[in-house]
Amino acid sequence: QITLKESGPTLVKPTQTLTLTCTFSGFSLTTSGVGVGWIRQPPGKPLEWLALIYWNGDELYNPSLKNRLTITKGTSKNQVVLTMTNMDPVDTATHYCARTSSVYDGFDYWGQGTLVTVTS
Amino acid sequence: DVVMTQSPLSLPVTLGQPASISCRSSQSLEYSDGNTYLNWFHQRPGQSPRRLIYKVSKRDSGVPDRFSGSGSGTDFTLKIARVEAEDVGVYYCMQGTHWPPYTFGQGTKLDIK
Repeated sequence: QITLKESGPTLVKPTQTLTLTCTFSGFSLTTSGVGVGWIRQPPGKPLEWLALIYWNGDELYNPSLKNRLTITKGTSKNQVVLTMTNMDPVDTATHYCARTSSVYDGFDYWGQGTLVTVTS
Repeated sequence: DVVMTQSPLSLPVTLGQPASISCRSSQSLEYSDGNTYLNWFHQRPGQSPRRLIYKVSKRDSGVPDRFSGSGSGTDFTLKIARVEAEDVGVYYCMQGTHWPPYTFGQGTKLDIK
C-alpha cells in the first residue's frame, strides 16, 4: 500500500523559510522512473506544481518559484524535503506531496495535504 | 508555460445524467514519442486530488468505467456517462508533456442539481 504524508509548521511568519517533509511508504525513490513532487493549492484556488525530485536525484522546479525552492531527498530513505524561502501571505496554501511513476504521467498517489498559513 | 483552459468552470448535473468537461492546451500535448500526456484529476471537497485518467484515455485502477477521456493535440474531454453523488467536486486537467512546469487547468466544479 502506497502512502504519503506531509509534515511541517502550520504557521510561518512573512520572510521566514518554510520546511516541509514528505514521508512515504510502499515504494522506493531508488526505483527507475519514480519521483516525489510537491503541489500547492491556495484556499479556493487551483493546483500549482512546485517541484519534483527523481529516483536519480534530478530536480525540477517551477520556474516562477525556482529561486525560492529547494527539494532534496531526506536523511531517511523514505523522505523528501521541500524548503521555500521568503514566505509571503500569498503563499498561504495546502501543500501536497505526491508520487509519480513516470515523468510524463502526473501524480498517481497523493498525501492528505498540510495547510500552511503565512501571517505575522 | 503551457496554459490549460477548462470549460465550463461550473457544471450542475442531474443524478444519472451525463456530464462533459473540456480542456484545451495552448500547445499540442503530443510528445515526440507519439504519446499525449494529458491527465485528469478529481478532488472531492476537503480531500486530496485523485488521478482518474492518464495519457488522455487510460483509466487508473479502481476508476469506474463511467469515466472516459478522449482528445488529441490541444483539445481534450472528460466524460461521465451517468453522474453519481460521489462524483461531486472539482475536476482538473494537467499536462505532462512540456515541463517544467507541469500545469493544471483552473478546475471545473461539478455539483448535483
